[in-house]
Amino acid sequence: QSALTQPASVSGSPGQSITISCTGTSSDVGGYNYVSWYQQHPGKAPKLMIYNVNTRPSGVSNRFSGSKSGNTASLTISGLQAEDEADYYCKSFRHSSTLYYVFGTGTKVTVL
Amino acid sequence: EVQLVESGGGLVQPGGSLRLSCAASRFTFSIYWMHWVRQAPGKGLEWVANIQPDGGVQHYVDSVKGRFTISRDNAENSLYLQMNSLRAEDTAVYYCARDISATGGLNYWGQGTPVTVSS
Repeated sequence: QSALTQPASVSGSPGQSITISCTGTSSDVGGYNYVSWYQQHPGKAPKLMIYNVNTRPSGVSNRFSGSKSGNTASLTISGLQAEDEADYYCKSFRHSSTLYYVFGTGTKVTVL
Repeated sequence: EVQLVESGGGLVQPGGSLRLSCAASRFTFSIYWMHWVRQAPGKGLEWVANIQPDGGVQHYVDSVKGRFTISRDNAENSLYLQMNSLRAEDTAVYYCARDISATGGLNYWGQGTPVTVSS
């Protein structure tokens, strides 16, 4: 069961916007609006940033937004801040021979 | 504030078994889908299994099917992961997590419990 594909690293300067892509197939990202995004700082549990492609949980900054086009989902961080430096993972529901969830390969965001 | 506290991790030999527990509090446990997610040392996140609120439906990643069993006790507000026939590649921190909307958004996580499979 292969992981969704994310860029290994993305960087930006404070105040800039960056976008992280998450590419799957029609059996997962493209077929369902069940994409979520997680932020993970070293040694900490992941934190939900976006679910159902573009819904922010309460308490998550509106600088984080999600979208999807075809088999690729995206997370955009606007007004980049130092505390945004972390690993980011997408996750999608997948329906092939069975039903399950699959994470992306992960992206390290660096604030320059 | 919602709390999820995992326990039961440790060192086990290849082929051995462990039972992880996740104690849930400060929310109505019985109405939420629950998940287990793991993270091998220095690696990314891997979804392991989930279970329906009433325990009637479970799903697993292929690599653990037939070896791991997810279960829950709604009366005790507890989630479990029975892990049998453990392999070196099962070494990871195991997290339990609550699903925000039954569509896979995991909005509350425990602190994780480490499992090491080694002789």
